Amino acid sequence: DAGVIQSPRHEVTEMGQEVTLRCKPISGHNSLFWYRQTMMRGLELLIYFNNNVPIDDSGMPEDRFSAKMPNASFSTLKIQPSEPRDSAVYFCASSLAPSRGPVVSYTFGSGTRLTVV
Amino acid sequence: DQQVKQNSPSLSVQEGRISILNCDYTNSMFDYFLWYKKYPAEGPTFLISISSIKDKNEDGRFTVFLNKSAKHLSLHIVPSQPGDSAVYFCAASSGNTDKLIFGTGTRLQVFP
Repeated sequence: DAGVIQSPRHEVTEMGQEVTLRCKPISGHNSLFWYRQTMMRGLELLIYFNNNVPIDDSGMPEDRFSAKMPNASFSTLKIQPSEPRDSAVYFCASSLAPSRGPVVSYTFGSGTRLTVV
Repeated sequence: DQQVKQNSPSLSVQEGRISILNCDYTNSMFDYFLWYKKYPAEGPTFLISISSIKDKNEDGRFTVFLNKSAKHLSLHIVPSQPGDSAVYFCAASSGNTDKLIFGTGTRLQVFP
Protein backbone atom coordinates (compact mmCIF):
# COMPACT_ATOMS: atom_id res chain seq x y z
CA ASP A 1 0.00 0.00 0.00
CA ALA A 2 1.23 3.51 -0.80
CA GLY A 3 0.14 4.83 2.57
CA VAL A 4 -1.95 7.94 3.14
CA ILE A 5 -1.59 10.25 0.16
CA GLN A 6 -2.05 13.99 0.48
CA SER A 7 -2.03 16.64 -2.23
CA PRO A 8 -0.70 19.14 -2.87
CA ARG A 9 2.52 18.96 -0.83
CA HIS A 10 2.85 22.74 -0.85
CA GLU A 11 0.26 25.42 -1.49
CA VAL A 12 0.85 29.16 -1.61
CA THR A 13 -2.23 31.30 -2.04
CA GLU A 14 -3.36 34.84 -1.60
CA MET A 15 -5.58 35.92 1.24
CA GLY A 16 -9.24 35.55 0.33
CA GLN A 17 -8.73 32.69 -2.09
CA GLU A 18 -10.30 29.26 -1.70
CA VAL A 19 -7.96 26.41 -0.82
CA THR A 20 -8.73 22.70 -1.15
CA LEU A 21 -6.56 20.04 0.43
CA ARG A 22 -6.98 16.41 -0.59
CA CYS A 23 -6.44 13.08 1.10
CA LYS A 24 -6.58 9.43 0.06
CA PRO A 25 -6.59 7.13 3.11
CA ILE A 26 -5.21 3.62 3.28
CA SER A 27 -7.54 1.14 1.66
CA GLY A 28 -9.59 -0.69 4.29
CA HIS A 29 -9.18 1.94 6.98
CA ASN A 30 -12.51 3.19 8.29
CA SER A 31 -11.50 6.33 10.19
CA LEU A 32 -10.00 9.49 8.74
CA PHE A 33 -8.63 12.48 10.62
CA TRP A 34 -7.56 16.00 9.66
CA TYR A 35 -4.96 17.67 11.85
CA ARG A 36 -3.21 21.02 11.71
CA GLN A 37 0.31 21.51 13.03
CA THR A 38 1.39 24.86 14.44
CA MET A 39 4.19 25.82 16.79
CA MET A 40 1.80 27.10 19.43
CA ARG A 41 -0.72 24.27 19.48
CA GLY A 42 1.19 21.30 18.15
CA LEU A 43 -1.00 18.77 16.32
CA GLU A 44 -4.55 20.01 16.59
CA LEU A 45 -7.46 17.77 15.57
CA LEU A 46 -9.82 19.57 13.22
CA ILE A 47 -12.34 16.87 12.28
CA TYR A 48 -12.65 13.13 11.99
CA PHE A 49 -14.82 10.73 10.04
CA ASN A 50 -15.80 7.15 10.72
CA ASN A 51 -17.20 5.14 7.81
CA ASN A 52 -17.36 8.40 5.81
CA VAL A 53 -19.57 10.11 8.40
CA PRO A 54 -18.29 13.18 10.30
CA ILE A 55 -18.15 12.24 13.99
CA ASP A 56 -16.50 15.22 15.64
CA ASP A 57 -15.88 18.60 14.02
CA SER A 58 -15.44 20.55 17.24
CA GLY A 59 -11.88 21.39 16.29
CA MET A 60 -12.78 23.18 13.07
CA PRO A 61 -11.71 26.78 13.74
CA GLU A 62 -14.64 28.57 12.16
CA ASP A 63 -17.15 28.47 9.34
CA ARG A 64 -14.46 29.18 6.78
CA PHE A 65 -13.33 25.57 7.19
CA SER A 66 -15.29 22.63 5.82
CA ALA A 67 -14.48 18.97 5.22
CA LYS A 68 -16.12 16.23 3.21
CA MET A 69 -15.65 12.52 2.71
CA PRO A 70 -17.80 11.51 -0.27
CA ASN A 71 -16.48 7.94 -0.27
CA ALA A 72 -14.09 5.65 1.60
CA SER A 73 -11.11 6.58 -0.55
CA PHE A 74 -11.22 10.37 -0.64
CA SER A 75 -11.58 13.38 1.62
CA THR A 76 -11.18 17.13 1.20
CA LEU A 77 -10.55 19.99 3.58
CA LYS A 78 -11.59 23.36 2.20
CA ILE A 79 -10.82 26.84 3.47
CA GLN A 80 -12.86 29.68 2.02
CA PRO A 81 -11.82 32.46 2.25
CA SER A 82 -8.27 31.77 3.37
CA GLU A 83 -6.43 34.07 5.80
CA PRO A 84 -2.72 34.42 6.69
CA ARG A 85 -3.36 32.85 10.14
CA ASP A 86 -4.41 29.64 8.37
CA SER A 87 -0.78 29.11 7.34
CA ALA A 88 0.29 25.77 8.81
CA VAL A 89 0.99 22.16 7.89
CA TYR A 90 -2.19 20.16 7.47
CA PHE A 91 -2.04 16.40 8.00
CA CYS A 92 -4.48 13.70 7.11
CA ALA A 93 -4.36 10.37 8.94
CA SER A 94 -6.31 7.14 8.73
CA SER A 95 -6.81 4.14 10.96
CA LEU A 96 -8.78 0.94 11.30
CA ALA A 97 -10.92 1.70 14.32
CA PRO A 98 -11.45 -1.43 16.44
CA SER A 99 -14.99 -2.44 17.36
CA ARG A 100 -13.90 -2.34 20.97
CA GLY A 101 -10.78 -1.48 22.86
CA PRO A 102 -8.34 1.39 22.46
CA VAL A 103 -7.51 3.00 19.18
CA VAL A 104 -4.68 1.46 17.25
CA SER A 105 -2.08 3.83 15.88
CA TYR A 106 -2.84 6.17 13.01
CA THR A 107 -0.99 6.32 9.71
CA PHE A 108 -0.28 9.90 8.69
CA GLY A 109 0.26 11.37 5.28
CA SER A 110 3.24 13.61 4.55
CA GLY A 111 1.17 16.76 5.00
CA THR A 112 0.34 19.86 2.99
CA ARG A 113 2.27 23.01 3.86
CA LEU A 114 -0.13 25.90 3.34
CA THR A 115 1.09 29.49 3.11
CA VAL A 116 -1.45 32.27 2.81
CA VAL A 117 0.06 35.63 1.86
CA ASP B 1 -7.33 24.37 26.39
CA GLN B 2 -4.40 22.01 26.01
CA GLN B 3 -5.33 18.62 27.47
CA VAL B 4 -1.96 17.11 26.61
CA LYS B 5 1.11 19.18 27.39
CA GLN B 6 4.77 18.83 26.55
CA ASN B 7 6.43 21.61 28.46
CA SER B 8 9.89 21.22 26.97
CA PRO B 9 9.94 22.46 23.39
CA SER B 10 13.45 21.12 22.85
CA LEU B 11 16.04 18.75 24.30
CA SER B 12 19.67 18.21 23.41
CA VAL B 13 21.45 14.97 24.38
CA GLN B 14 24.81 13.46 23.63
CA GLU B 15 24.95 10.24 21.61
CA GLY B 16 24.94 7.18 23.86
CA ARG B 17 23.26 8.94 26.79
CA ILE B 18 19.64 8.68 27.89
CA SER B 19 16.95 10.95 26.45
CA ILE B 20 13.90 11.57 28.63
CA LEU B 21 10.88 13.25 27.10
CA ASN B 22 8.00 14.24 29.33
CA CYS B 23 4.28 14.64 28.84
CA ASP B 24 1.46 15.72 31.18
CA TYR B 25 -2.26 15.40 30.69
CA THR B 26 -5.29 16.86 32.41
CA ASN B 27 -8.17 14.61 31.37
CA SER B 28 -8.59 11.72 33.81
CA MET B 29 -10.69 9.87 31.21
CA PHE B 30 -7.62 9.24 29.05
CA ASP B 31 -6.73 5.56 29.21
CA TYR B 32 -4.40 4.98 26.28
CA PHE B 33 -1.25 6.87 25.43
CA LEU B 34 1.03 6.89 22.42
CA TRP B 35 4.28 8.47 21.30
CA TYR B 36 4.88 9.53 17.73
CA LYS B 37 8.10 10.58 16.05
CA LYS B 38 8.26 13.12 13.25
CA TYR B 39 11.08 13.90 10.85
CA PRO B 40 11.07 17.13 8.78
CA ALA B 41 8.80 17.07 5.73
CA GLU B 42 7.25 13.77 6.81
CA GLY B 43 4.13 12.80 8.71
CA PRO B 44 4.37 11.54 12.31
CA THR B 45 4.99 7.81 12.70
CA PHE B 46 3.92 5.63 15.59
CA LEU B 47 6.65 4.73 18.06
CA ILE B 48 5.25 3.10 21.20
CA SER B 49 2.08 3.01 23.28
CA ILE B 50 0.86 2.16 26.76
CA SER B 51 -2.48 1.32 28.26
CA SER B 52 -3.55 2.79 31.59
CA ILE B 53 -3.60 -0.69 33.12
CA LYS B 54 0.19 -0.73 32.86
CA ASP B 55 2.87 1.55 34.20
CA LYS B 56 5.65 0.58 31.82
CA ASN B 57 6.04 -0.65 28.26
CA GLU B 58 9.35 -1.39 26.59
CA ASP B 59 10.33 -1.84 22.96
CA GLY B 60 14.02 -2.10 22.30
CA ARG B 61 15.71 1.19 23.16
CA PHE B 62 12.37 2.86 23.87
CA THR B 63 10.48 2.66 27.17
CA VAL B 64 7.36 4.54 28.14
CA PHE B 65 6.45 5.06 31.79
CA LEU B 66 3.00 6.05 33.00
CA ASN B 67 2.21 7.63 36.37
CA LYS B 68 -1.57 7.83 36.51
CA SER B 69 -1.77 9.57 39.88
CA ALA B 70 0.45 12.36 38.58
CA LYS B 71 -1.13 12.30 35.10
CA HIS B 72 2.35 12.10 33.68
CA LEU B 73 4.13 9.94 31.16
CA SER B 74 7.66 9.87 29.90
CA LEU B 75 9.58 8.34 27.03
CA HIS B 76 13.09 7.08 27.67
CA ILE B 77 15.49 6.41 24.83
CA VAL B 78 18.61 4.46 25.77
CA PRO B 79 21.13 4.73 24.24
CA SER B 80 20.32 7.80 22.18
CA GLN B 81 21.48 7.82 18.57
CA PRO B 82 21.82 10.67 16.04
CA GLY B 83 19.00 9.09 14.00
CA ASP B 84 16.69 9.69 16.96
CA SER B 85 16.86 13.44 16.28
CA ALA B 86 13.25 14.37 15.49
CA VAL B 87 10.16 15.94 17.00
CA TYR B 88 8.35 13.65 19.45
CA PHE B 89 4.64 14.00 20.09
CA CYS B 90 2.75 12.41 22.91
CA ALA B 91 -0.92 11.60 22.35
CA ALA B 92 -3.83 10.35 24.44
CA SER B 93 -7.25 8.86 23.92
CA SER B 94 -10.18 7.68 26.01
CA GLY B 95 -11.89 4.34 25.53
CA ASN B 96 -15.13 5.70 24.13
CA THR B 97 -13.59 7.43 21.12
CA ASP B 98 -10.94 6.71 18.55
CA LYS B 99 -9.64 10.27 18.32
CA LEU B 100 -6.16 11.10 19.55
CA ILE B 101 -5.31 14.34 21.35
CA PHE B 102 -1.73 15.37 20.72
CA GLY B 103 0.70 17.54 22.64
CA THR B 104 2.78 20.38 21.22
CA GLY B 105 5.86 18.25 20.62
CA THR B 106 9.47 18.18 21.84
CA ARG B 107 12.35 18.55 19.42
CA LEU B 108 15.13 16.11 20.33
CA GLN B 109 18.62 16.66 19.02
CA VAL B 110 21.20 13.94 19.58
CA PHE B 111 24.73 15.16 18.94
CA PRO B 112 27.90 13.05 18.52
